[in-house]
Amino acid sequence: QKEVEQNSGPLSVPEGAIASLNCTYSDRGSQSFFWYRQYSGKSPELIMFIYSNGDKEDGRFTAQLNKASQYVSLLIRDSQPSDSATYLCAVTGTTDSWGKLQFGAGTQVVVTP
Amino acid sequence: NAGVTQTPKFQVLKTGQSMTLQCAQDMNHNSMYWYRQDPGMGLRLIYYSASEGTTDKGEVPNGYNVSRLNKREFSLRLESAAPSQTSVYFCASSVSTGGGGNTIYFGEGSWLTVV
Repeated sequence: QKEVEQNSGPLSVPEGAIASLNCTYSDRGSQSFFWYRQYSGKSPELIMFIYSNGDKEDGRFTAQLNKASQYVSLLIRDSQPSDSATYLCAVTGTTDSWGKLQFGAGTQVVVTP
Repeated sequence: NAGVTQTPKFQVLKTGQSMTLQCAQDMNHNSMYWYRQDPGMGLRLIYYSASEGTTDKGEVPNGYNVSRLNKREFSLRLESAAPSQTSVYFCASSVSTGGGGNTIYFGEGSWLTVV
């Protein structure tokens, strides 16, 4: 069983709509949660991180964390063609594995004009 | 403002050949990492170095060795390349391996093909 699961997509989203990406993780002791965006042929770049239950907003992006359900999501509001990319969910493990991120395989998002 | 720099960007190797991927960061980070990325597999940690002078195995260390040359540099060596090591390799760094919100910054990647 993979430790971090994401739907591979592609997730097709009309321009201006909300894209909703989901991620589940298996390690109940996970502490920090990250969303990275990766354009084709490029390196991952951090969008935002969250480590407390609830919502965290940064511009058009909102991360949502529910540790009881072992679930983290990313909402992209007012989706733009430039948001077309693969979005990687990453999770740190328990205390003895800080910094050793476990990545999901990513969800491909395609924003259509 | 270079961040994390890795070389070479592209390399083709024959099976059995050896090579070293070089990585350097200029952000004064303590921790450095090597990941590989394969289609449908996401990023997998090969080795990491929590601080200068230490290295530890990650999820997929077999067939690789690393050297933390100094605080800035962390190299990855393939002693006898195999086709299964065809992948995109990313070097990364962070302030430390601890703490909530610990942010890992990635280099631009090295595309390695083993034939």
